[in-house]
Amino acid sequence: GAGVSQSPSNKVTEKGKDVELRCDPISGHTALYWYRQRLGQGLEFLIYFQGNSAPDKSGLPSDRFSAERTGESVSTLTIQRTQQEDSAVYLCASSPRVGSGNQPQHFGDGTRLSIL
Amino acid sequence: GIQVEQSPPDLILQEGANSTLRCNFSDSVNNLQWFHQNPWGQLINLFYIPSGTKQNGRLSATTVATERYSLLYISSSQTTDSGVYFCAVHGSSNTGKLIFGQGTTLQVKP
Repeated sequence: GAGVSQSPSNKVTEKGKDVELRCDPISGHTALYWYRQRLGQGLEFLIYFQGNSAPDKSGLPSDRFSAERTGESVSTLTIQRTQQEDSAVYLCASSPRVGSGNQPQHFGDGTRLSIL
Repeated sequence: GIQVEQSPPDLILQEGANSTLRCNFSDSVNNLQWFHQNPWGQLINLFYIPSGTKQNGRLSATTVATERYSLLYISSSQTTDSGVYFCAVHGSSNTGKLIFGQGTTLQVKP
């Protein structure tokens, strides 16, 4: 597609429920990243995919968080047993390749997650 | 890990004024990007500038990699320039993850 697409744009759910957030990267981009932005803060790295593999999961805050990518395209971030501190905007980015890191990342509009 | 510090944290300008935003980073970097997050939360790429100087309309950026800082210049500011400006760097690891500063919140008054 023309840009990185994320869905849903907004999600409100009750504490304890599971949520799934989706990211469609720019076509042909092999690298995909998930970030979290809490209110008034900068972005925090969560996980990075190269193809369908995740060589860096170091930013996932707990084992309630997981992500997968299929077909070197769509990625899903899943949060189980949501807690109020999970409330944030979750942003996805993609870039043509990784390695030397010399390709800019392009961001989607994010999913605003609110846990009641 | 790499630390990224942005200054000033907040900036209020009158429309038409010029400004300079600064980004300091604690180690050598392979990538540096400037973003504008508009009031609707959209993160817009401004510059990919690991070194040197680039210009795009009223905006320009300079990165001096050897001295570990980057500057974003906004000239003749407009109300639509309001929002948060983020600097983000990619360090020596090969995963490409960006490390963000805390941002500069800019308000341009008419």
